[in-house]
Amino acid sequence: KQEVTQIPAALSVPEGENLVLNCSFTDSAIYNLQWFRQDPGKGLTSLLLIQSSQREQTSGRLNASLDKSSGRSTLYIAASQPGDSATYLCAVRFPTGANSKLTFGKGITLSVRP
Amino acid sequence: DTEVTQTPKHLVMGMTNKKSLKCEQHMGHRAMYWYKQKAKKPPELMFVYSYEKLSINESVPSRFSPECPNSSLLNLHLHALQPEDSALYLCASSRHRETGELFFGEGSRLTVL
Repeated sequence: KQEVTQIPAALSVPEGENLVLNCSFTDSAIYNLQWFRQDPGKGLTSLLLIQSSQREQTSGRLNASLDKSSGRSTLYIAASQPGDSATYLCAVRFPTGANSKLTFGKGITLSVRP
Repeated sequence: DTEVTQTPKHLVMGMTNKKSLKCEQHMGHRAMYWYKQKAKKPPELMFVYSYEKLSINESVPSRFSPECPNSSLLNLHLHALQPEDSALYLCASSRHRETGELFFGEGSRLTVL
């Protein structure tokens, strides 16, 4: 079964800390992996997309890496700020027969303390 | 412009009502999606349209009826819903179904009384 796991479910850090959010998945045959941010009651905001052939992507203070062989991705957030407080979701697009399906992890709720 | 627009933002309906949720994107994306999200859970896929044809239906009850009138619009028609259908309904789009980056709308918060 194709699954995506995010541990821990919640994380609290002081402002300014560099932090790493982890994502693991069960099948190395993926199309791509996408990190999202969700604020309470809002939609999902795409942060970074890593295609299967790529190893990492960067956007501002965010860097996401992909290691297909070990089934892992990390989202690195540099110099965290209170505005980074949100739920971060990892989603992996697995091939499923003639289609593909985006499978989400349960998310990590991040709280950055001032 | 990476915007997916959903209307209405909030909807309250009785179990005998018929209502519709609407979604629009002008990014030229050819894949559009409906997701359902309950509180503190990840989104669950309901339907996928690719080039205006329904390509995935995740065994969704028939009281939910999707429609894709053209490449920019996606509707979700609601009829005879149950209180447990109350959730945040999210629309998303991507350039291609297999490899494209997904962009989500802000969602429609549905309450069924």
